[in-house]
Amino acid sequence: QLQLRESGPGLVKPSETLSLTCTVSGGSISSDSSTFYWAWIRQSPGKGLEWIGSIYYSGSTYYNPSLKSRVAISVDTSKRQFSLQLRSVTAADSAVYYCARESLRGTPYDSFDLWGQGTMVGVSS
Amino acid sequence: DIQMTQSPSSLSAFVGDRVTIICRAGQSISSYLNWYQQKPGKAPKLLIYAASSLQSGVPSRFSGSGSGTDFTLTISSLQPEDFATYYCQQSYSDSFTFGPGTKVEIK
Repeated sequence: QLQLRESGPGLVKPSETLSLTCTVSGGSISSDSSTFYWAWIRQSPGKGLEWIGSIYYSGSTYYNPSLKSRVAISVDTSKRQFSLQLRSVTAADSAVYYCARESLRGTPYDSFDLWGQGTMVGVSS
Repeated sequence: DIQMTQSPSSLSAFVGDRVTIICRAGQSISSYLNWYQQKPGKAPKLLIYAASSLQSGVPSRFSGSGSGTDFTLTISSLQPEDFATYYCQQSYSDSFTFGPGTKVEIK
């Protein structure tokens, strides 16, 4: 069945860029319908669960307004991967980062129905 | 952003108890409300979507209700594997937000 797995450095220096990749296995990241988007969500003790942004296989993106100036999400359908870049990180960006599948965007059924295991990222010099 | 609140923040209950968790939205979100369960060290798991629809594979003791600003998650008979933290999440606006969570502990 479809699985998601995050990968990337576990430690990033302040002011640098956090880069993570989510690899989708057991299925396609592309879809002929508007059913699935692909999302990044993070969780820190201080801020709880925070949606970062979502991307469609065509490259269309939605971002959390509070992070929009620092975030870029991209997709590589040939590799079945989507990626997160978060610029100018501070200690407040330390969190567990999850990738997830978002189903049925724009409908009452819009939800995150499949999650990766998560990867812990710390920001420290 | 639409602010989400949950009550209580934590609760203790016995196996077999009926448990109700409340989620409130800062504005009307129709039925664009999801519930997730998270166990320590694990990713959240979708339980309920669209306020009252049970996700495939989720036991029927879980149910959701509500619309507008007030929502509830009910566990009809708490089982040992249900001890976890529960989060609500709105998908009404383009910027999704989660509630702060309700931790359900063993009494």
